[in-house]
Amino acid sequence: GDQVEQSPSALSLHEGTGSALRCNFTTTMRAVQWFRKNSRGSLINLFYLASGTKENGRLKSAFDSKERYSTLHIRDAQLEDSGTYFCAAEAGGNYKPTFGKGTSLVVHP
Amino acid sequence: EAAVTQSPRNKVTVTGGNVTLSCRQTNSHNYMYWYRQDTGHGLRLIHYSYGAGNLQIGDVPDGYKATRTTQEDFFLLLELASPSQTSLYFCASSQDIQDTQYFGPGTRLLVL
Repeated sequence: GDQVEQSPSALSLHEGTGSALRCNFTTTMRAVQWFRKNSRGSLINLFYLASGTKENGRLKSAFDSKERYSTLHIRDAQLEDSGTYFCAAEAGGNYKPTFGKGTSLVVHP
Repeated sequence: EAAVTQSPRNKVTVTGGNVTLSCRQTNSHNYMYWYRQDTGHGLRLIHYSYGAGNLQIGDVPDGYKATRTTQEDFFLLLELASPSQTSLYFCASSQDIQDTQYFGPGTRLLVL
């Protein structure tokens, strides 16, 4: 099965509201990275975490290697937050990063 | 699963050296990507392409050139390698921009 399970697959928010995205891992990961892919296809790096939490503006992410999950919280969602969000987990060594299947977020006025 | 291969798998060069990393995908995907992976920074996009002859700049393009010669082949060029380019390089491909990316096995580059 997949090593990285990302949920939800789709999310619809009204402006000003918030929600959380989650990635569960079937094995211990060394680090996790969160990206947003915009309409041009660019991957925007949001967070890189080897442990703990990080916050940047309206986004906050947490990673618990022992419990095998990571979350991305979005608060006060804005229209420009729309896009597809991916987590990518590093198992360490020379292993290629494993991406979740993505969460398609649409923020409505 | 899409087949993405990279060569060489390991490379050692000296500062100022000229290096070409090769990537080939055999599923006729439109998009191909070059990333570098570094501890503490994670995966960072260098360049990507949506078809033969096309090149898009990624997040960390300085010091790198890339060329997409065919639908299958995407090359990353380091014309004057520097120690800061020592890294693990991954190539990936996807059918469309929002689709799952399939990664190659990686190339470990050491610049002395």
